[in-house]
Amino acid sequence: GQSLEQPSEVTAVEGAIVQINCTYQTSGFYGLSWYQQHDGGAPTFLSYNGLDGLEETGRFSSFLSRSDSYGYLLLQELQMKDSASYFCAVSSTGGFKTIFGAGTRLFVKA
Amino acid sequence: DAGVIQSPRHEVTEMGQEVTLRCKPISGHDYLFWYRQTMMRGLELLIYFNNNVPIDDSGMPEDRFSAKMPNASFSTLKIQPSEPRDSAVYFCASKTEEETQYFGPGTRLLVL
Repeated sequence: GQSLEQPSEVTAVEGAIVQINCTYQTSGFYGLSWYQQHDGGAPTFLSYNGLDGLEETGRFSSFLSRSDSYGYLLLQELQMKDSASYFCAVSSTGGFKTIFGAGTRLFVKA
Repeated sequence: DAGVIQSPRHEVTEMGQEVTLRCKPISGHDYLFWYRQTMMRGLELLIYFNNNVPIDDSGMPEDRFSAKMPNASFSTLKIQPSEPRDSAVYFCASKTEEETQYFGPGTRLLVL
């Protein structure tokens, strides 16, 4: 089967850097995605890693190690508006079935 | 583009009633996904379509749930009969061959 693990909650201060880890178990791994969801809103895409290494998009970066079945999302220069839930999601080969982790709730404090 | 459109945005119904949720994907997207989100179970994939054909419905909870995609611009998720445990936010998402999924605003369903 497929499973993902990520911390349930992270707290950080404004301006800081925070890393949200994700480990996964899946057959036919294709790629790892990250989504952000504010309370009452819909998930929105942040980043995708299909290959090992770091992908950078502004203040957000995502990393993948396929050999370790591990990835992380790095948020820099935290802002209050970054307070949200962050989901890692694994997509598998043979289709585009995507399984989401339980989400990490990030609290950014002043 | 208007993005993924879902209707209704909110639905309150009584146990035993039929519920139909609707989704219009982004034009040109040939993948459509239905998800359910609850506090207890998180974001669960129910079913997804490719070119209007259901590819994987292994996440559909039981026979009370059914989904159709009669054409490239419309899909429905039906629950009949509905039960209180079906109360959740139901999201529709669409995408191209690229990995990015675009989610609709969701339908908040409450079954009393």
